[in-house]
Amino acid sequence: GAGVSQSPSNKVTEKGKDVELRCDPISGHTALYWYRQSLGQGLEFLIYFQGNSAPDKSGLPSDRFSAERTGGSVSTLTIQRTQQEDSAVYLCASSSSYPLPRGAFFGQGTRLTVV
Amino acid sequence: AQKITQTQPGMFVQEKEAVTLDCTYDTSDPSYGLFWYKQPSSGEMIFLIYQGSYDQQNATEGRYSLNFQKARKSANLVISASQLGDSAMYFCAMREGRGGGFKTIFGAGTRLFVKA
Repeated sequence: GAGVSQSPSNKVTEKGKDVELRCDPISGHTALYWYRQSLGQGLEFLIYFQGNSAPDKSGLPSDRFSAERTGGSVSTLTIQRTQQEDSAVYLCASSSSYPLPRGAFFGQGTRLTVV
Repeated sequence: AQKITQTQPGMFVQEKEAVTLDCTYDTSDPSYGLFWYKQPSSGEMIFLIYQGSYDQQNATEGRYSLNFQKARKSANLVISASQLGDSAMYFCAMREGRGGGFKTIFGAGTRLFVKA
């Protein structure tokens, strides 16, 4: 597609349930990022994938959070045993260094609400 | 340790005037990139401008310019001739390392209000 696509756009889940958030980056972009944004707050880095390298997971807040990127393209962020504090907008972005470092392109985000 | 600092949680500017949004950063990597993004109330993140650590000149993109002071580790965004549509959250971000894909971290943001 032309841009970064995230699904679902909204997700309401019960506390304790697992959720999967999907990100489809721009074709050819080797870097993929996941961020979390709580209401009125800045972006909190979660995880970063670059090509075939091991991902940088330093931002994942707990072992309930995990992410994978299959075939260097689509990525899934999984949150197990969701808690109310997990409620936020989860943003995915992708980037490429060529032809110019134009910054990352962001998806519209998935708004997660844990009730 | 906080690597990107935006000290202005909110700013007001009169329409058609210029405004400067502050950003300071901290890194020991000689190769890094600095970005500014705009996030309107719709929630989308819009890339505005990029400055590389080795760039000799300040970056400009239309009404946006980046006042890059390397020794002070500051990368302030200047918006000239503010428009009502500029009202939004603005985030400063830094990418360390070479290439386009290294980890990028964001500041807490500055909310800009443009008054008619």
